[in-house]
Parts: sequence; C-alpha cells; structure tokens
Amino acid sequence: EIVMTQSPATLSVSPGERATLSCRASQSVSSDLAWYQQKPGQAPSLLIYGASTRATGIPARFSGSGSGTEFTLTISSLQSEDFAVYYCQQYNNWPRTFGQGTTVEI
Amino acid sequence: EVQLLESGGGSVQPGGSLRLSCAASGFTFSTYGMSWVRQAPGKGLEWVSTISNSGDSTFYADSVKGRFTISRDNSKNTLYLQMNSLRVEDTAVYYCAKSGPFYFEYWGQGTRVTVSS
Repeated sequence: EIVMTQSPATLSVSPGERATLSCRASQSVSSDLAWYQQKPGQAPSLLIYGASTRATGIPARFSGSGSGTEFTLTISSLQSEDFAVYYCQQYNNWPRTFGQGTTVEI
Repeated sequence: EVQLLESGGGSVQPGGSLRLSCAASGFTFSTYGMSWVRQAPGKGLEWVSTISNSGDSTFYADSVKGRFTISRDNSKNTLYLQMNSLRVEDTAVYYCAKSGPFYFEYWGQGTRVTVSS
C-alpha cells in the first residue's frame, strides 16, 4: 500500500497570504495525484488531478506541482472561503490512498 | 449538473447489515466507474470500493474485503454498497463518487452509518 503523508498537519495563514501544502508518497505515483478540499459539514470536492490540472471551475489561485513522490498544492492568495481541510490522494496503485489532511486555518 | 444522492444509512448493531444506495443523475451513468469513500467521525478520508462502468471489475479496501459488496444497476442509474458483518470501526459517513478508476470527480453529500451495541 502506498502511504501518503501530508505536511504540515495545520497551517495558520492570514487572508491574502500564500499557502503551500506538501504531500509525499512512500513510492512513486508518477503524476497520478489529486487534491481535494473539504469544508466543515460538506463533502470533499476535487481541486486538482494529474498533479497539476485544475478541475472544472477551480480558480487559478490554486495550483499543483510535483511528480514521483513529492507534490505541492499552492494557494496564491488565500480567500476566506479557502479555509478548509485539504487532502491528497494517489490513484497510481490499488488501494487508492489519501493523505491524512492539512487544515488551513486563519 | 451531476447529482449523487446517497441513502440507506442508519444505526445497526455489530454483525448487522445495511445496503447503501446512490442515485446518480446529470451524466451518462453507464460510462463511468463509481466508488464509495468513507470518513469516520473526526477522521480523514478512506477509499472503500470501486466498480467499473460495466460492473465487470470491482476493487475493495482490505478493511472491507469479504464483507462489503459493490454493485450497480445501469438501467436505474444507481450504485449500491451491501455491507455485512458490520463492525464498530465501520462507523462513518459514506460518500459515493463518480470516479472512473482514478480520482473522485464528483461526490454526493454522504449517508451516515453508525455501528454500535
């Protein structure tokens, strides 16, 4: 099983600042990496797939990068609606696995 | 607009069974794989199972293999998860997701399953 490790667990930032979230895979997943956002009481929603491709309707302030084992999600200028939990997920191998999540808080 | 509506959750005793359903609309259901993902209270996301568009191929997490069965009825645009021999640790919100075999593109709002004596 591929273990996905996210850091930091919690990221405290101010509105308008840049946020950088990391995700590491225990073995290479190529670019088969997705990022999701989950707000309290809501279902997760897809942000990024293929490590760097924004899903439909996702603002350009969200960007993904990386390949192999190291990935980054960057939010260029945090808006109030961006405070949430973010998960990475690999789909290179079965079982599909998620990171434990990074909470972006004010 | 893609819509996924889960139902069938509830409270059950350990060893019991539940059948979850997910009614899909807004896309051609029969051309996409579908999945179930769960989230225990206060915890992260855990992939549970995936089924191919035709239903010929199924995949399961080790934690549910042999106890849960994923299926679909393409004539009814509905995904199912039959859960048997339920354990306390199966307590979670269960989400269905339009997925193909890859990432989870759209998610339902979830249905809550509580396993407790």
